[in-house]
Amino acid sequence: EVQLVESGGGLVQPGGSLKLSCAASGFTFSSYWMSWVRQAPGKGLEWVVNIKEDGSEKYYVDSVKGRFIISRDNAKNSLYLQMNSLRAEDTAVYYCARVGRYYDSGAAYYYYFMDVWGKGTTVTVSS
Amino acid sequence: SYELTQPPSVSVSPGQTANITCSGYKLGDTYTCWYHQKPGQSPLLVIYEDSKRPSGIPERFSGSKSGNTATLTISGTQAMDEADYYCQAWDSSTAVFGGGTKLTVL
Repeated sequence: EVQLVESGGGLVQPGGSLKLSCAASGFTFSSYWMSWVRQAPGKGLEWVVNIKEDGSEKYYVDSVKGRFIISRDNAKNSLYLQMNSLRAEDTAVYYCARVGRYYDSGAAYYYYFMDVWGKGTTVTVSS
Repeated sequence: SYELTQPPSVSVSPGQTANITCSGYKLGDTYTCWYHQKPGQSPLLVIYEDSKRPSGIPERFSGSKSGNTATLTISGTQAMDEADYYCQAWDSSTAVFGGGTKLTVL
């Protein structure tokens, strides 16, 4: 079964740090881009960051640049998110998502989508 | 930053057709995905590449795009379709989600 399981969430004070983990199983982890997406209480989805299959490319939403660091360990089938200088507005459920792809041979183009999601881990930033 | 605009809410009667729109000035140059999310659950992909359905998604879910507006259509809407729906597009290698639409099946 294809599965993603997040862990590491919790309560942290403003300015503190937290490291989230995402354990992947049931697919070849090293063959997929991966994402973190968050959802603040009662709000919509917000994409946070992407990482390429080999970790060589990373893209962040502006609001977390310089504070969050994504990484992966393909040998351990694991994705990580190191969150530093946390703010109240970082309070959210954080989802790990696989970025699937479909190749259209006619157009010679890859289409990407988030096709597998974990159940999420909750991060609360509060004093 | 790039934004996708969705109506906050859409209501539909059981068995009728629901249309949820997503607008963005770059949508004409890229493609759209759609996700639904029921309370307390993770998002689920229902449409990718504007109109393709992943395996396991019922045929009543379809997608289309005209210019800079994408539309998710649910035909013969059922009570189980009541959920929040999000469109998503790629802007270079970053992703952007619409604000979400709450679909109510009355």
